[in-house]
Amino acid sequence: QQPVQSPQAVILREGEDAVINCSSSKALYSVHWYRQKHGEAPVFLMILLKGGEQKGHEKISASFNEKKQQSSLYLTASQLSYSGTYFCGTEGAAGNKLTFGGGTRVLVKP
Amino acid sequence: NAGVTQTPKFQVLKTGQSMTLQCAQDMNHEYMSWYRQDPGMGLRLIHYSVGAGITDQGEVPNGYNVSRSTTEDFPLRLLSAAPSQTSVYFCASSPQPPGTGRDTQYFGPGTRLTVL
Repeated sequence: QQPVQSPQAVILREGEDAVINCSSSKALYSVHWYRQKHGEAPVFLMILLKGGEQKGHEKISASFNEKKQQSSLYLTASQLSYSGTYFCGTEGAAGNKLTFGGGTRVLVKP
Repeated sequence: NAGVTQTPKFQVLKTGQSMTLQCAQDMNHEYMSWYRQDPGMGLRLIHYSVGAGITDQGEVPNGYNVSRSTTEDFPLRLLSAAPSQTSVYFCASSPQPPGTGRDTQYFGPGTRLTVL
């Protein structure tokens, strides 16, 4: 089943913060985060494994709440380069398939 | 390393035509996959392969065939194109399957397919 991302879109001013959530109805083993710029291929940001770990990439970090079957991506002090669509991909059993959410469109304005 | 390459970049087909989208990677990755992305939507898995000679279905396999005769190549065949197959197709590869939680998938630049 496809994970649900929220919000669907967010508009930020440079320097502002935002949180993107990714929720699943099934138990998760791992959550993968990607960013896609318009007309380009998705680019990997980070992977989180069950266990509630937190990771960071530039000023972008993420957490994984295994009990809630939810991951959150934190955009801190956003930059213009953070604009794009963010996708979470989830995998429930250490298997071979990633199921992606519908994406969250982020626009950072000067 | 060229990474993941896809050809063609753009393609227009008529309903009923068949064609093959090519995907190749030079990173010696075992895992390869095909996704389709419809406008404003997420990525949906079509087929995947965990190694040469091994393929399996993803979420939306109907109307598509794949084969994996070598580690490097993973072509996607549209058997009889339909307008519902108009989409952007991405090929991706990684050293191991995504469920191991260790490896990122590297995506190719995509093929934009229109079926009239």
